[in-house]
Amino acid sequence: DTGVSQNPRHKITKRGQNVTFRCDPISEHNRLYWYRQTLGQGPEFLTYFQNEAQLEKSRLLSDRFSAERPKGSFSTLEIQRTEQGDSAMYLCASSPTTSGAFNEQFFGPGTRLTVL
Amino acid sequence: EDQVTQSPEALRLQEGESSSLNCSYTVSGLRGLFWYRQDPGKGPEFLFTLYSAGEEKEKERLKATLTKKESFLHITAPKPEDSATYLCAVQRGSTLGRLYFGRGTQLTVWP
Repeated sequence: DTGVSQNPRHKITKRGQNVTFRCDPISEHNRLYWYRQTLGQGPEFLTYFQNEAQLEKSRLLSDRFSAERPKGSFSTLEIQRTEQGDSAMYLCASSPTTSGAFNEQFFGPGTRLTVL
Repeated sequence: EDQVTQSPEALRLQEGESSSLNCSYTVSGLRGLFWYRQDPGKGPEFLFTLYSAGEEKEKERLKATLTKKESFLHITAPKPEDSATYLCAVQRGSTLGRLYFGRGTQLTVWP
């Protein structure tokens, strides 16, 4: 399967702990996005990378959140000092930059975070 | 502020009963409108991209259309396997790639 992969699929943690999620995009996709989705809502944008450069961050991304894409391939999203309000599905998506498919974002299965 | 509103929130159809889902948007400089399907506990699955008013795209029992203010997802003769949440999203020309999603329409098709 050459789709977007995310690990872990599920994470349960206690309030105050740090967590890190990983996303592997579709091979050769230059653009990588992180979204967060809570129950009954559509995904909300968090941040966006083109290759290794983080080009846009949402106001939702507080100081406790940090994302990296060090070599322009996989990406990590870290949440420090987790709070119960961080409980959500964290989605990663990638897209190519070739013409004709410039804007289409393909999503991974998500990481479900539960903060106790 | 940019807004994407989907209606209805939930829709129950009998197998074979055609219907339409609505996505209305207020966004400056629309670059594209996207439809996704999402099954419970999974990530959204890409369906269509529409770029300009009057454009239509089809895939199996689904047909998406776009006007200057809204988009419709028409479902013809649905089957139980079409049951899912359908998400609409827009992309602005002034932003680099973020999608603005609606809350979705939860579709249930019963036999």
